[in-house]
Amino acid sequence: KNEVEQSPQNLTAQEGEFITINCSYSVGISALHWLQQHPGGGIVSLFMLSSGKKKHGRLIATINIQEKHSSLHITASHPRDSAVYICAVRFNFGNEKLTFGTGTRLTIIP
Amino acid sequence: NAGVTQTPKFRILKIGQSMTLQCTQDMNHNYMYWYRQDPGMGLKLIYYSVGAGITDKGEVPNGYNVSRSTTEDFPLRLELAAPSQTSVYFCASSSRVGQSEAFFGQGTRLTVV
Repeated sequence: KNEVEQSPQNLTAQEGEFITINCSYSVGISALHWLQQHPGGGIVSLFMLSSGKKKHGRLIATINIQEKHSSLHITASHPRDSAVYICAVRFNFGNEKLTFGTGTRLTIIP
Repeated sequence: NAGVTQTPKFRILKIGQSMTLQCTQDMNHNYMYWYRQDPGMGLKLIYYSVGAGITDKGEVPNGYNVSRSTTEDFPLRLELAAPSQTSVYFCASSSRVGQSEAFFGQGTRLTVV
């Protein structure tokens, strides 16, 4: 079965801490997306990656294809980073469909 | 740069009523999708379209219908609304399968009472 698992489900940290959110998946993929959803808001795409590492500001996303695992890191976390972070993958044999994790709710305390 | 626009943002329906959730994108994307998001669950695909005139069912299509008469628009129709359709609905688009970024609308929060 094609599955996506995220950990942790909930994460609370102090402002300034280094944050890591994990995503693992069951079978081969063509792409992995990291998305951000603010409370009551829409969903914004942060990264799309199929190998290696991408960086945008304080956000870093990495993927290890052999281990079927991706991480999203936030450096120098800030209260405005508080949101739900969602991992979604396009499985190799899932044609046009994305399969989503259940999300990680991140709360950064000032 | 509007991206993906969904309307309405909020709606309350009575059981048995019908409504259409509108979705339009101005990026000339071929692929469009409708998802629903229930508490504690990942987004589930309702319907998708790979181009004008072509639609297909996703994981949870029952109780919904779609059409794609133009590249820009992908409305989602709810017939005979049921409490189980209470959810947040997201429309998304992408330029092609695989290596392209997905763009999401702001969501529609629907309550069926």
